[in-house]
Amino acid sequence: RKEVEQDPGPFNVPEGATVAFNCTYSNSASQSFFWYRQDCRKEPKLLMSVYSSGNEDGRFTAQLNRASQYISLLIRDSKLSDSATYLCVVNRVVVGSQGNLIFGKGTKLSVKP
Amino acid sequence: VTQTPKFQVLKTGQSMTLQCAQDMNHEYMSWYRQDPGLGLRLIYFSYDVKMKEKGDIPEGYSVSREKKERFSLILESASTNQTSMYLCASKAGGINEQFFGPGTRLTVL
Repeated sequence: RKEVEQDPGPFNVPEGATVAFNCTYSNSASQSFFWYRQDCRKEPKLLMSVYSSGNEDGRFTAQLNRASQYISLLIRDSKLSDSATYLCVVNRVVVGSQGNLIFGKGTKLSVKP
Repeated sequence: VTQTPKFQVLKTGQSMTLQCAQDMNHEYMSWYRQDPGLGLRLIYFSYDVKMKEKGDIPEGYSVSREKKERFSLILESASTNQTSMYLCASKAGGINEQFFGPGTRLTVL
């Protein structure tokens, strides 16, 4: 199993649609989870952290299922400006080190008028 | 986080240092390369001045962290398979948001 795995897409959806992205991770010891957004030819930027209890930020909802080692991102009422690549990020636990962040390959979203 | 240069073209065998600087007093800095279909791959990271750790693909690269705010990526002898977008990132210690620079697009001919 890859450390962080995402469906690459692309997801092509109409404005106003609800879209869900999934991500799985291999290391059950991972403690930190994030969703980043990357616009075309730009650097990745943090969209939201993912907490065990689930969290919401406006139209965006993130969920974590530790038992299944699964993370999700739900976008409601999609806007044209949501078009981007969404990266699932997990911390890698390394014995004797502070570890680092590992990025999934990303899921591309295209919202059409 | 700032990176210089934004673009660079090298010939095979040439050497090059990619510069990264941050003004957020972050302890952690890292270098990634991003290629189509392969995503972001970690090259090296550093948690402190003069300290470095190998990431997933360190071969062909070295790094230098002489000051807390700067982390350089060094290509001693560039090869065509090092053509890529290079992204530097920094964050505070512990579990925190990682901030990326705008990237350096490197082409090796």
